[in-house]
Amino acid sequence: QKEVEQDPGPLSVPEGAIVSLNCTYSNSAFQYFMWYRQYSRKGPELLMYTYSSGNKEDGRFTAQVDKSSKYISLFIRDSQPSDSATYLCAMSGMDSSYKLIFGSGTRLLVRP
Amino acid sequence: EAGVAQSPRYKIIEKRQSVAFWCNPISGHATLYWYQQILGQGPKLLIQFQNNGVVDDSQLPKDRFSAERLKGVDSTLKIQPAKLEDSAVYLCASSLGSTGWSTEAFFGQGTRLTVV
Repeated sequence: QKEVEQDPGPLSVPEGAIVSLNCTYSNSAFQYFMWYRQYSRKGPELLMYTYSSGNKEDGRFTAQVDKSSKYISLFIRDSQPSDSATYLCAMSGMDSSYKLIFGSGTRLLVRP
Repeated sequence: EAGVAQSPRYKIIEKRQSVAFWCNPISGHATLYWYQQILGQGPKLLIQFQNNGVVDDSQLPKDRFSAERLKGVDSTLKIQPAKLEDSAVYLCASSLGSTGWSTEAFFGQGTRLTVV
């Protein structure tokens, strides 16, 4: 079993739709949860960062963490064609040597 | 603030040849990562440095891959000899630290390697 599971998609939605992206994980030691966005032929860029459980909102983006279910989500409201990209979840633990583990990424296409 | 710099952007080599990639992290970032991203997959950590020292290289194929970070700044990743399955994008990233808030990793644009 992979430490982090993510549906690869692709996910195709019309402009203006609410998008829900999800990851599940198996390691209860993970404490820090991140969402990265990766455009084609570019490196990943950090979108959202949350610690432990709860919600965090930043503009059109909301990140949710449910540690009891080992499940994290990213919601995108009023999706735009410019949101078309691959979204990667990533997580790490508390230990100083704990590495950042990525999901496989979900490809999102927002149709005009 | 300058980002993570990587070179070259693209490289095509024949199998069994050797290749090297270079990374210059963001100034002041103690932690440097090399990731391998195969098409359609998420980045896989190859090696993580904390300053000069190796923190994790458990997924580095040590029979053919090597990496160093001299003086705790720039880093090079080498593959010798290359195999067809090494075709991937090699991403370098850096962060202030390796845990908590300082785990935010900033990525370079990557080096796209094609082994033919």
